[in-house]
Amino acid sequence: SQQGEEDPQALSIQEGENATMNCSYKTSINNLQWYRQNSGRGLVHLILIRSNEREKHSGRLRVTLDTSKKSSSLLITASRAADTASYFCGGATNKLIFGTGTLLAVQP
Amino acid sequence: DTEVTQTPKHLVMGMTNKKSLKCEQHMGHRAMYWYKQKAKKPPELMFVYSYEKLSINESVPSRFSPECPNSSLLNLHLHALQPEDSALYLCASSQGLTVDEQFFGPGTRLTVL
Repeated sequence: SQQGEEDPQALSIQEGENATMNCSYKTSINNLQWYRQNSGRGLVHLILIRSNEREKHSGRLRVTLDTSKKSSSLLITASRAADTASYFCGGATNKLIFGTGTLLAVQP
Repeated sequence: DTEVTQTPKHLVMGMTNKKSLKCEQHMGHRAMYWYKQKAKKPPELMFVYSYEKLSINESVPSRFSPECPNSSLLNLHLHALQPEDSALYLCASSQGLTVDEQFFGPGTRLTVL
């Protein structure tokens, strides 16, 4: 399987804390994307980092990419209850292959 | 309009039925995708259409038949499905051939009895 791995599988934090999720992938990629999915709904694109970039910021999101280790991390700062969702990384070549996902619960 | 719409929202069908899932986007995107997602699993790619032509089929059983009538529409025709095909079916689109940001529809929840 080309599927990537994410850890942790599940993460529970308090509002205001930071949340960090890690992603590892198996093949060389053109870019690495992060998506959020609220329960049983479609995915929402959060941020994209290209293979020649090492770090990217967007609002409360910070993404890093280490192509030598085939890994990425997503940091959500100052989390809110509304951030509760599943988060998936996706490595893109000619198609997008998603990782196993992290279920984030932010307690108010 | 930055929305991908999917109909129906829910579908229950028997193993002998024929049904279709529909997906529509009006963003001028030239690539469209079908994904299948089982509970607590990531989406799995099924088909990719680029410029209205099928470019990727991820070895999907022939009981699933995709169709792209025009650049805005994508259908998935279902026939003789199995109970294990019950899942959330997601449609997505992106601007072009390079796999950049994908816009997802809300999905069709399919139950096969």
